[in-house]
Amino acid sequence: NAGVTQTPKFQVLKTGQSMTLQCAQDMNHEYMSWYRQDPGMGLRLIHYSVGAGITDQGEVPNGYNVSRSTTEDFPLRLLSAAPSQTSVYFCASRIKTGSSYEQYFGPGTRLTVT
Amino acid sequence: GDSVTQMEGPVTLSEEAFLTINCTYTATGYPSLFWYVQYPGEGLQLLLKATKADDKGSNKGFEATYRKETTSFHLEKGSVQVSDSAVYFCALTTYNNNDMRFGAGTRLTVKP
Repeated sequence: NAGVTQTPKFQVLKTGQSMTLQCAQDMNHEYMSWYRQDPGMGLRLIHYSVGAGITDQGEVPNGYNVSRSTTEDFPLRLLSAAPSQTSVYFCASRIKTGSSYEQYFGPGTRLTVT
Repeated sequence: GDSVTQMEGPVTLSEEAFLTINCTYTATGYPSLFWYVQYPGEGLQLLLKATKADDKGSNKGFEATYRKETTSFHLEKGSVQVSDSAVYFCALTTYNNNDMRFGAGTRLTVKP
């Protein structure tokens, strides 16, 4: 199993540009999510999906779009990048284990918006 | 809403020192509690977890006990190594919640 994979690893954008961060998992997990990590703030949930065709907003969704056409893939789109979106982005998938969950993270994408 | 508070870092220790990283939580339901570790340039890896009160999670010499009476889940290790240098995150989730709440993270540096 490759687990959760993300591309690219690094990206620099100019303000106003758009791009898509790719995320894929090969564990057949229904639930996938996107987080951003900022210094001193831990990880904050951007969007999540409980299965193909179903997405919902997390804590900080503004400026981001997602779609989930397959179980494996969950891309994150920045429509018009802003410097406030400079961050490290992590994709995750999770599975129920008993009364809890186990969540698996990708290696992250470091995005800089100038 | 649910939240996690971790002790602020950074924490610098000498090899073989005792480690404690404090974590307290606020939750409306019955949360599961987690510690994740992030090594430089990598994603988060699950270190240990506990799903109910008085459970003790352990892994790689690290331990944490789910204390409902003090709403805490402090991470401990008896003798740290240089290879333990990383950022540690405390987190919680409740079964009917689609979010996992993270603390701000504590950076640990272990010097030889």
